[in-house]
Amino acid sequence: DSGVTQTPKHLITATGQRVTLRCSPRSGDLSVYWYQQSLDQGLQFLIQYYNGEERAKGNILERFSAQQFPDLHSELNLSSLELGDSALYFCASSYGLATDTQYFGPGTRLTVL
Amino acid sequence: GENVEQHPSTLSVQEGDSAVIKCTYSDSASNYFPWYKQELGKGPQLIIDIRSNVGEKKDQRIAVTLNKTAKHFSLHITETQPEDSAVYFCAAHQQGNQFYFGTGTSLTVIP
Repeated sequence: DSGVTQTPKHLITATGQRVTLRCSPRSGDLSVYWYQQSLDQGLQFLIQYYNGEERAKGNILERFSAQQFPDLHSELNLSSLELGDSALYFCASSYGLATDTQYFGPGTRLTVL
Repeated sequence: GENVEQHPSTLSVQEGDSAVIKCTYSDSASNYFPWYKQELGKGPQLIIDIRSNVGEKKDQRIAVTLNKTAKHFSLHITETQPEDSAVYFCAAHQQGNQFYFGTGTSLTVIP
């Protein structure tokens, strides 16, 4: 158990819908990262937040947005969902810098039908 | 942007043998290179990392080497055990920038 929690574990929805994925970092960690893992695209970095502020941005679509709240939990919002958005979405946390050890959560499996 | 290539995509070794996975990167600004192990149904787990000011790092049976000039880094696992079977990912990172991942290597250790 990494100490990072993600909810829900599974999510099935339809195209065009909007979903919210939630992540609670390990106690004491200030940075949260979101990753997408799919069969055709592999593991992709989406975005990093540090203490509530966006710190680095990767291949995150405009339909996707994220935020980190004052209690340091984070949410990833995916809207206008397409079939190709079906993937595993992982959250990770670290104490501070991106070069600190990142601890990954168990992931949320999103299926868009 | 950065491009990380990883080889081989699959690797089978006999228990007790060594396994080597290689990655190359394209951007000389990358300065941090972590390796992750992902077991079935779980999230990736950091197993070792190396920074660009170091050429080699070892942690028990696992070692990573970095050649900045050639822009490649490798993961070495010695005395492999069945529990080493998993998918391994390399990654490259630049300060203040995003992470770029290799496509993964599925390692099978045959008892």
